Amino acid sequence: SAVISQKPSRDICQRGTSLTIQCQVDSQVTMMFWYRQQPGQSLTLIATANQGSEATYESGFVIDKFPISRPNLTFSTLTVSNMSPEDSSIYLCSVESSAGGDTDTQYFGPGTRLTVL
Amino acid sequence: AQSVTQPDIHITVSEGASLELRCNYSYGATPYLFWYVQSPGQGLQLLLKYFSGDTLVQGIKGFEAEFKRSQSSFNLRKPSVHWSDAAEYFCAVGRMDSSYKLIFGSGTRLLVRP
Repeated sequence: SAVISQKPSRDICQRGTSLTIQCQVDSQVTMMFWYRQQPGQSLTLIATANQGSEATYESGFVIDKFPISRPNLTFSTLTVSNMSPEDSSIYLCSVESSAGGDTDTQYFGPGTRLTVL
Repeated sequence: AQSVTQPDIHITVSEGASLELRCNYSYGATPYLFWYVQSPGQGLQLLLKYFSGDTLVQGIKGFEAEFKRSQSSFNLRKPSVHWSDAAEYFCAVGRMDSSYKLIFGSGTRLLVRP
């Protein structure tokens, strides 16, 4: 399976500021995804990021709040803009494996734990 | 609407005892089914998956799961739990060739008594 890293692993931010989270994969992948996990909750998909096209956002998530970049097949960023305490969550990126028997399977990064004061 | 239900929020078992975590789904087509585990402060690790074929699938760390179409269930089992199995377990459903979207259950937190 792909090896996925995220930076930063955690951060504490002031309200009104923005944070950009990076996701790096050790192999080229077509599909990358960004999820939010609010405290004590399950995972909710924010958007799907394909290289060379605009990200596709899920209901309740908008580009102005969560702009996403996907400059190549191994890297993506998610920005959390104009943060409020309600944005305190774990943000996870995932990739769909392109390898043989592993297609149609998502693998997850370690997550970025964000606290907004 | 597509959904995944994990009816048990918490489960506590003694070390060495058997474990079964329940998962029920609602999906319009034949789903792909997954179990992930999240240890404290960690990301999600894939335990096992079911796409088709043999309805009993084996995963990592000694886990297995059985797909029962008639019951719309995909329960996770382990014959003997270890203290290191204490974590949050998530069931998920989706098909990457349709919406590329995974729908997660609410999770079950497993506590292991020494």
